[in-house]
Amino acid sequence: DIVMTQSPDSLAVSLGERATINCKSSQSVFYSSNNKNYLAWYQQKPGQPPRLFINWASTRESGVPDRFSGSGSGTDFTLTISSLQAEDVAVYYCQQYYNTPLTFGGGTKVEIK
Amino acid sequence: QVQLQQWGAGLLKPSETLSLTCAVYGGSVSGYYWSWIRQTPGKGLEWIGEINHYRTINYNPSLRSRVTMSIDTSKNHFSLKLSSVTAADTAVYYCARGGNIVLALAAPFDPWGQGTLVTVSS
Repeated sequence: DIVMTQSPDSLAVSLGERATINCKSSQSVFYSSNNKNYLAWYQQKPGQPPRLFINWASTRESGVPDRFSGSGSGTDFTLTISSLQAEDVAVYYCQQYYNTPLTFGGGTKVEIK
Repeated sequence: QVQLQQWGAGLLKPSETLSLTCAVYGGSVSGYYWSWIRQTPGKGLEWIGEINHYRTINYNPSLRSRVTMSIDTSKNHFSLKLSSVTAADTAVYYCARGGNIVLALAAPFDPWGQGTLVTVSS
């Protein structure tokens, strides 16, 4: 199984400041034949299912604000919120879809400082 | 826009069988993998398995011995059964769409069902 490790478990950031979440996979999720990283990011708010935010490590889904960005390749990935807004308070998960069993990181809780 | 609506029993006794169904609206079950995922405070998000309309199934090895998935293309829905449940199976269960078979492309989960809280208690 590919183990996904997120850090930190939680972080508190002031409004307007940058938030950075890290995700590390136990093996590469990069597929060289199509030059894609099989890595997604989700946002989850209480009482709701996770919402897909970013796929292929860096492609924002429709409707996701451009203050969110994904980067990284291979085994190390980052989700950055460039200027934290109140509505960004949530838990964020990374997930690999490179192979089965499909696996998620443990989540990072983002709060306002 | 594809939407998923799921239902099933929310309270079970130990050793009973969990049974959930997820209906697909605004699209067809054909052409995609359809997954079940569960979420607990302790273990986070755990993928249970996936099925497509060819009835190709992939299960998480951690649950394989107790899981059965099925799909009904005529009703445009798919189902999950988990046997011999214990308190450790208490979780919110989600259905979700995954990879595209036609494009032979894996994909993250989108959309998701609303979730069903399943509690196992004597």
